[in-house]
Amino acid sequence: ETGVTQSPTHLIKTRGQQVTLRCSSQSGHNTVSWYQQALGQGPQFIFQYYREEENGRGNFPPRFSGLQFPNYSSELNVNALELDDSALYLCASSAPGQRGTEAFFGQGTRLTVV
Amino acid sequence: DQQVKQNSPSLSVQEGRISILNCDYTNSMFDYFLWYKKYPAEGPTFLISISSIKDKNEDGRFTVFLNKSAKHLSLHIVPSQPGDSAVYFCAASDRGHDMRFGAGTRLTVKP
Repeated sequence: ETGVTQSPTHLIKTRGQQVTLRCSSQSGHNTVSWYQQALGQGPQFIFQYYREEENGRGNFPPRFSGLQFPNYSSELNVNALELDDSALYLCASSAPGQRGTEAFFGQGTRLTVV
Repeated sequence: DQQVKQNSPSLSVQEGRISILNCDYTNSMFDYFLWYKKYPAEGPTFLISISSIKDKNEDGRFTVFLNKSAKHLSLHIVPSQPGDSAVYFCAASDRGHDMRFGAGTRLTVKP
């Protein structure tokens, strides 16, 4: 049983560019959530995908978008990067019916916008 | 709006003693609460949870207490071990929706 893996682990982008982050979910998990963790803060919910459909969204602008694929892996896309987008981006997968007890997090992607 | 607050950014305890980490919330719709532990360069790892219908849940050295009237929960670690040194996040969810996290408390357990 493989865990949640995210790629890349680190990334440096220039303001105004676009970025795509990737996440492979835990085997058997069909729900993927993305979180942004700024320095010194807790993770903030961006959105969740369930069976390839967006299933909830936090207070993030439309330039944050996502996809979930038939194998339940997922992408987070951010357009028109801003300096404040610099953060650790975490992906978490869970099985249907779970209440967070089985939400497994990846190690995160550290994005730096310069 | 910060619906989950951890007001202590750090806590230091001696090995073998009790660690008590606190968390307050404002949203009365939250019905499920969780604690996650995070080591550097790793994602958060689930530690323990509690439903709003309970006031205590215990798992080995870890116990979570929930006081709904005060909108407060706490995590007790007894006895504390050096390997428990990590950042601890409190999280809450409303009917299975997204989790809201606190800012975290860095626990240091000294040998």
